[in-house]
Amino acid sequence: GAGVSQSPRYKVAKRGQDVALRCDPISGHVSLFWYQQALGQGPEFLTYFQNEAQLDKSGLPSDRFFAERPEGSVSTLKIQRTQQEDSAVYLCASSLVSRGSDTQYFGPGTRLTVL
Amino acid sequence: LAKTTQPISMDSYEGQEVNITCSHNNIATNDYITWYQQFPSQGPRFIIQGYKTKVTNEVASLFIPADRKSSTLSLPRVSLSDTAVYYCLVESGGFKTIFGAGTRLFVKA
Repeated sequence: GAGVSQSPRYKVAKRGQDVALRCDPISGHVSLFWYQQALGQGPEFLTYFQNEAQLDKSGLPSDRFFAERPEGSVSTLKIQRTQQEDSAVYLCASSLVSRGSDTQYFGPGTRLTVL
Repeated sequence: LAKTTQPISMDSYEGQEVNITCSHNNIATNDYITWYQQFPSQGPRFIIQGYKTKVTNEVASLFIPADRKSSTLSLPRVSLSDTAVYYCLVESGGFKTIFGAGTRLFVKA
């Protein structure tokens, strides 16, 4: 069956450019998470959506990061004026319900390289 | 949020049983213990979850003592394809999931 998909898989941006990363969660999944994973590190929580509501954005590192899920399905993570420290893999995950311990299904990630 | 501590890395040989222990001294009453596996260039994948005692599925077993301050993931008869990073998480009603650095398991032939 269809899992979580992310696009693009790879993105190279020049410093100062804006980028948009897309996540297509599993159909019907209520919860959607974004994570940032630096090389050799574990995923770091960025933000959480329950349907279209962004209930937690405490992990977004700066106001250059913005996420949305307007219709409660597809989500976009936007990074404005990219910096070299933004280079990382950005992971999206979805889960069926809104219970914190529910299994999260991850996409393959988008590898962002900022030059 | 409970913080977890795991070994940074472990080595094993094919066919051996591997046990990875995770400490979570501040686990709360409502917290579940979840383990994920991550291969290079892939997102993490759910392995197993438990609350207390022992849980077993087709992939692994999870042992949780009565005080729940630690848990042990047991992988029976590992193969080369089990080489990956394994993350221990404790999570409950909140959604700010904390992964930590994980344990890098190397399985040798």
